[in-house]
Amino acid sequence: RKEVEQDPGPFNVPEGATVAFNCTYSNSASQSFFWYRQDCRKEPKLLMSVYSSGNEDGRFTAQLNRASQYISLLIRDSKLSDSATYLCVVLSPGYSTLTFGKGTMLLVSP
Amino acid sequence: EPEVTQTPSHQVTQMGQEVILRCVPISNHLYFYWYRQILGQKVEFLVSFYNNEISEKSEIFDDQFSVERPDGSNFTLKIRSTKLEDSAMYFCASSPSTSVYGYTFGSGTRLTVV
Repeated sequence: RKEVEQDPGPFNVPEGATVAFNCTYSNSASQSFFWYRQDCRKEPKLLMSVYSSGNEDGRFTAQLNRASQYISLLIRDSKLSDSATYLCVVLSPGYSTLTFGKGTMLLVSP
Repeated sequence: EPEVTQTPSHQVTQMGQEVILRCVPISNHLYFYWYRQILGQKVEFLVSFYNNEISEKSEIFDDQFSVERPDGSNFTLKIRSTKLEDSAMYFCASSPSTSVYGYTFGSGTRLTVV
């Protein structure tokens, strides 16, 4: 199984800051990409899908570069409630199994 | 909102014992999974289950592990002869299809092997 690599973190930012997370994946056949959020000792929850054209959901913007096998997540105007670990996730081609990155922890402070 | 239910939330067992982790997937879902997360590590795929058989398994899922859907609602993970390194959070998930949409994780069972 190929790997998904993320910035190690943690990222410590003040409220209102913009923060970007990066991720690379090694399996060029991968077709579907996602960002999940995981709170401490909780289950992963789907934050958003990532499309080649880029997609936005409120303060969150995700981008995919297939040529570079690179995925990003941008969070604008950070809130205290954004503090969590952000997981880059790839759906295995031909299967329904998810490959997770180790995650990048975000700590937003007042 | 439908949810995946896992029991128990925390299980402590002695090394060498067998444990069964239980999951109730969402009722109209067809695909079932187990993942695990060792403390401080990434979430790792263990096994997927469809149409009453294993459809894929990782190298972690060796003969020590087995899965079963004993009735129409439960999906279980059995770990035989537990080892210290089996201590982890075990997440069950289910999905209606092979897409990630509708892919729902349970809140997990924390297994501690002592």
